[in-house]
Amino acid sequence: GNSVTQMEGPVTLSEEAFLTINCTYTATGYPSLFWYVQYPGEGLQLLLKATKADDKGSNKGFEATYRKETTSFHLEKGSVQVSDSAVYFCALRSNDYKLSFGAGTTVTVRA
Amino acid sequence: DTAVSQTPKYLVTQMGNDKSIKCEQNLGHDTMYWYKQDSKKFLKIMFSYNNKELIINETVPNRFSPKSPDKAHLNLHINSLELGDSAVYFCASSQGQGEYGYTFGSGTRLTVV
Repeated sequence: GNSVTQMEGPVTLSEEAFLTINCTYTATGYPSLFWYVQYPGEGLQLLLKATKADDKGSNKGFEATYRKETTSFHLEKGSVQVSDSAVYFCALRSNDYKLSFGAGTTVTVRA
Repeated sequence: DTAVSQTPKYLVTQMGNDKSIKCEQNLGHDTMYWYKQDSKKFLKIMFSYNNKELIINETVPNRFSPKSPDKAHLNLHINSLELGDSAVYFCASSQGQGEYGYTFGSGTRLTVV
């Protein structure tokens, strides 16, 4: 079946540090891949997406590239801010209407 | 305008009660979903409707029953609430199979005491 594995947290960083959250997937066919962010006490917001191999999704300084050869979609940001503190979810949309999520990675950025 | 709205935002109730959570989307999407987020933040799909037809029905107790009166609304009714039902429930919508992403509501925190 389809599944998403992302690095366990929590991750604690200082402001302006580089952030990477690893995400790998298992899927049949050609899934679409997403990163969602959940700020404290809020719902999930779509951060970025990629619908085919080698696509790069980007938003708010975050980037992720759809790597079919390594079945990965790692999230990166070059310089994090305190406001980036949140839970980040990698997700996969397969051909059966289901959006499957990873376990989430809690990121805390300290001033 | 809120794209996907859920009510109520918080719900505290006693074991054994029956409660409903309502969801409405104004995005013109044709597919809606219910997800459950547990205390460890894990998200699991429960149900999905496409144009008012049930298309996903995961392994969920029969006490949970979704109802979709039209493609803009998907409500969740829960009978005989149990302590283990305490969680945050998210409604979401997408166009078609959601190839370009889902839009989520802000969640309903259900606490069963």
